[in-house]
Amino acid sequence: DADVTQTPRNRITKTGKRIMLECSQTKGHDRMYWYRQDPGLGLRLIYYSFDVKDINKGEISDGYSVSRQAQAKFSLSLESAIPNQTALYFCATSDSGYTGELFFGEGSRLTVL
Amino acid sequence: GENVEQHPSTLSVQEGDSAVIKCTYSDSASNYFPWYKQELGKRPQLIIDIRSNVGEKKDQRIAVTLNKTAKHFSLHITETQPEDSAVYFCAASKPGSARQLTFGSGTQLTVLP
Repeated sequence: DADVTQTPRNRITKTGKRIMLECSQTKGHDRMYWYRQDPGLGLRLIYYSFDVKDINKGEISDGYSVSRQAQAKFSLSLESAIPNQTALYFCATSDSGYTGELFFGEGSRLTVL
Repeated sequence: GENVEQHPSTLSVQEGDSAVIKCTYSDSASNYFPWYKQELGKRPQLIIDIRSNVGEKKDQRIAVTLNKTAKHFSLHITETQPEDSAVYFCAASKPGSARQLTFGSGTQLTVLP
């Protein structure tokens, strides 16, 4: 089945370390997103990309960067991790049609000590 | 930007009873309102959505209603079952090439046997 795959699924790191979360998809979708989930805050958009040459900031992009290496790959980087970036991170994809349904990956749980 | 408020944050119901989750949105231009279900340890998945040209949509035991004048929409689950226990997120988006979704903070629904 076509899917959205995230690696790593779990990561524990220390303050100040650089971390990369990777996302790949076999759905053939153009649009890719990175969301952050915190208890009581829902899902908040970090960055999104509509094609390989398109990168857009979401509502909480500070402290994060992204790279769209190919249509199927979208990575999220924390250049210098801090404890309040401890969260569950989701990659998602959608097609460019009107529906806009998001297809999420399984999530990457990041803990910054 | 858009702001989506979701209530209640937690909801417990007896199996077989109905559950209602309510959301309000701030941007009158929003015209697409999906609901996502996230089971424990799983990824969010779309369960139903509604567009502003209709007032109600049903799919078996779930329904969504929309009141554009009051800018609120609700998820109704009838004859609840244990497998309905999950976190439910509402979201809103408006027309345009971005079609970013703004999510509510989530409702933890527990169906008691």
